[in-house]
Amino acid sequence: NAGVTQTPKFRVLKTGQSMTLLCAQDMNHEYMYWYRQDPGMGLRLIHYSVGEGTTAKGEVPDGYNVSRLKKQNFLLGLESAAPSQTSVYFCASSYTSNEQYFGPGTRLTVT
Amino acid sequence: GENVEQHPSTLSVQEGDSAVIKCTYSDSASNYFPWYKQELGKGPQLIIDIRSNVGEKKDQRIAVTLNKTAKHFSLHITETQPEDSAVYFCAATINDYKLSFGAGTTVTVRA
Repeated sequence: NAGVTQTPKFRVLKTGQSMTLLCAQDMNHEYMYWYRQDPGMGLRLIHYSVGEGTTAKGEVPDGYNVSRLKKQNFLLGLESAAPSQTSVYFCASSYTSNEQYFGPGTRLTVT
Repeated sequence: GENVEQHPSTLSVQEGDSAVIKCTYSDSASNYFPWYKQELGKGPQLIIDIRSNVGEKKDQRIAVTLNKTAKHFSLHITETQPEDSAVYFCAATINDYKLSFGAGTTVTVRA
């Protein structure tokens, strides 16, 4: 099993550009999550999904959109990137509750 | 929402000594408290967790204690080794999946 994978690993965007981060899991997990990690602030939940076709807002959803068209994939979109969105983004998944399995992260820089 | 505070932000210990990280939470309804370890360049990984109906849990050199009255929980690492050097995050939740994370503690084990 590959676990949780994220694409791409690194990306540099200019202000106003758009992009999509892809998360895939092969553990048949129901729940999936997108977090951002910034120095001194831990991990903050952006959006999450409790099953295929469902999404919900987390703690810091503004400026991001998500989609969960397939159970194994969870996409995070930035429609108009801003420097404040420079961060490391982590995807995670879990069966229902308890342990969340994290991907390796995507380092995004917005100039 | 839940607010989790974590102290200290950095911790340096001599190899073989113990390390203690403390977290406090704000929502008395929180019932699940996991601890994650993040090594450089990787995603966080669950190392131990505890539920509100348990006061203490041990797993080899790692233990977690929970004081519901005071709303704080702690991670104890005994006989520290160089491979314990990492960033540690505590988290809390009332529903098992929407985790609120602390800001993290960078642990350095000196040889």
